[in-house]
Parts: sequence; C-alpha cells; structure tokens
Amino acid sequence: GAVVSQHPSWVICKSGTSVKIECRSLDFQATTMFWYRQFPKQSLMLMATSNEGSKATYEQGVEKDKFLINHASLTLSTLTVTSAHPEDSSFYICSATRRKTNTEAFFGQGTRLTVV
Amino acid sequence: DQQVKQNSPSLSVQEGRISILNCDYTNSMFDYFLWYKKYPAEGPTFLISISSIKDKNEDGRFTVFLNKSAKHLSLHIVPSQPGDSAVYFCAASLDNYGQNFVFGPGTRLSVLP
Repeated sequence: GAVVSQHPSWVICKSGTSVKIECRSLDFQATTMFWYRQFPKQSLMLMATSNEGSKATYEQGVEKDKFLINHASLTLSTLTVTSAHPEDSSFYICSATRRKTNTEAFFGQGTRLTVV
Repeated sequence: DQQVKQNSPSLSVQEGRISILNCDYTNSMFDYFLWYKKYPAEGPTFLISISSIKDKNEDGRFTVFLNKSAKHLSLHIVPSQPGDSAVYFCAASLDNYGQNFVFGPGTRLSVLP
C-alpha cells in the first residue's frame, strides 16, 4: 500500500525556536495533504489542507503565521511551527490523498512536539 | 507487516440496515482505538474511540466493540444512511495521546437507498 513518511517522529525544542515537520508520500503523488493536531484524550483536529503548488487552506482558529505550511511538490509537504511555545506541544499528524482519487487517505506516523 | 488490518476494502449495505466494519490488530500493546470517516476530497474526521479497558462504546447510531483476546474491533452503524457512505479508517495507538498512531487501510462503505 501507499506509504506516507513523517519526520521527525518526536522533537523537543526550546521556547521561541521554530520546528519543521516533513510529510512525504514515498510511492505516490499526493494531490492533497492534510495536517492534524491531536490533544491528549481528544480526536484529531484538522489544521489545514494543503494542495500542491497553492496556498494552504487553514481551518478556523488556526493561525496561519504560526503554522506555516508549504506543499512545494507532489511528494512533500512541510509544517513549520514558528516561535514555538509550550502550549504548542502536541501530536501532529499528516495524511495524503493520491492524485486522481479522493477516497483514500494515507497517514503519516505522527510527530510528537514538546516545547520546553 | 500491517499492524492494523481492515480486510474488507469495500462494503455495500441497504439503507436502514446495519453496517458492520471490522478491524484486526496484531500488537497486543495497543490500548486505544479510534475510527475515522473520510469523504472524497476531504480529510479524515474522527468518529468514535474506545479504550482497552472497555469492550463497548456507543455514540448515537455508532457503536464500537472491542474484543481484546481476539485483537478485533468492529464499528456498527445502525440504521445506515446514504450519508454514511465514505471510507472508514480504524486506528490504534499505545496510549490515547497517539504516540504510535497506526492506521488501517480503510474500508469503503456504500449505503444504498
């Protein structure tokens, strides 16, 4: 099956620094990638939808300048948490849908971010 | 080697009947399970979850059953509605934070009017 690789799987950073998370589709071209955030004991919250070559569409309440999303190619999308603060500590997960089909979604393994 | 399996890639059910989606896992350390639903051109959305300390969780028309000894869980939708037609993903993790979040390949449910 299609594979989505997310890196890093965990990261610890100092408050005020920026962290970049990568999401790669390894064996298919991803038309669209989704970025989610999960708080403890809660479901995934969609943050933004990223289409290759265009600006990401952010969900209400998600700060665009805080969470920078770049989808420069059909196999790579990045999420950069800028000027991270402890409240940004969370689990971030991406998923990708394959070109020409919108019914399948492939998930990355997620990234646990801890801001100290 | 898939740790979370959904052996039925598709399922068709008549409107008003029960839909049963199955999921099997291999890692006995998983202790939190979730179901996600995905419509075409949209991201997956959370549906229902269950902790390993329970064997059943119900939310409206949706009920998830967990059989730990068999490493099997199922999602029941009663009654099924045409709007339920979507792809359903089973997911498992080692804790309810999702440190090791493993998704199944999905089952496409079609509810026929």
